[in-house]
Amino acid sequence: AQSVTQLDSQVPVFEEAPVELRCNYSSSVSVYLFWYVQYPNQGLQLLLKYLSGSTLVKGINGFEAEFNKSQTSFHLRKPSVHISDTAEYFCAGVLPGGFKTIFGAGTRLFVKA
Amino acid sequence: DSGVTQTPKHLITATGQRVTLRCSPRSGDLSVYWYQQSLDQGLQFLIQYYNGEERAKGNILERFSAQQFPDLHSELNLSSLELGDSALYFCASSNSGRDTGELFFGEGSRLTVL
Repeated sequence: AQSVTQLDSQVPVFEEAPVELRCNYSSSVSVYLFWYVQYPNQGLQLLLKYLSGSTLVKGINGFEAEFNKSQTSFHLRKPSVHISDTAEYFCAGVLPGGFKTIFGAGTRLFVKA
Repeated sequence: DSGVTQTPKHLITATGQRVTLRCSPRSGDLSVYWYQQSLDQGLQFLIQYYNGEERAKGNILERFSAQQFPDLHSELNLSSLELGDSALYFCASSNSGRDTGELFFGEGSRLTVL
């Protein structure tokens, strides 16, 4: 069965520091992978997605993620975070041709001044 | 603005009651998904409709039901409400024709059961 695991429930970090939010997936076939962000009192919005091709994916707000097939990981990174990046981040995956998106439990990023 | 509209934004009701949440997908999207988000359970997939037909079912209780209408809007019906049903209910839509799986979320309907 396919699952998506986010390894950290909360990540506190100081402003302008780098951050990595970890995500692992399990699947016996290729997957499409996504990172979504949820700001307080808002719905989820797409940060970036990996469908195929280059394993380094760049998204909005300076975030990027790297698809690593051998480690079944899709970690999200940002070299320098801002207070406004404080939000909950969800890793998600869906099988190509499938219609069910599976979400990880979420990682709450808290950026401190 | 994702283009997905959910109403109502907030709803307060009592145990045992029934409520209906409404979702209008993005123009052109055929798939509608319903998710429940609570503090203890995270984001839980409830059900998906594609062009009026049920496509996938997740952790949806028997007290809950949904449908998608010919104009593609969807309704989630929650009945015999319990305190534990208090949560944020999200609707999302996708253009399944592209087969990328990208979802567009509404801002959610916050249900409080007292």
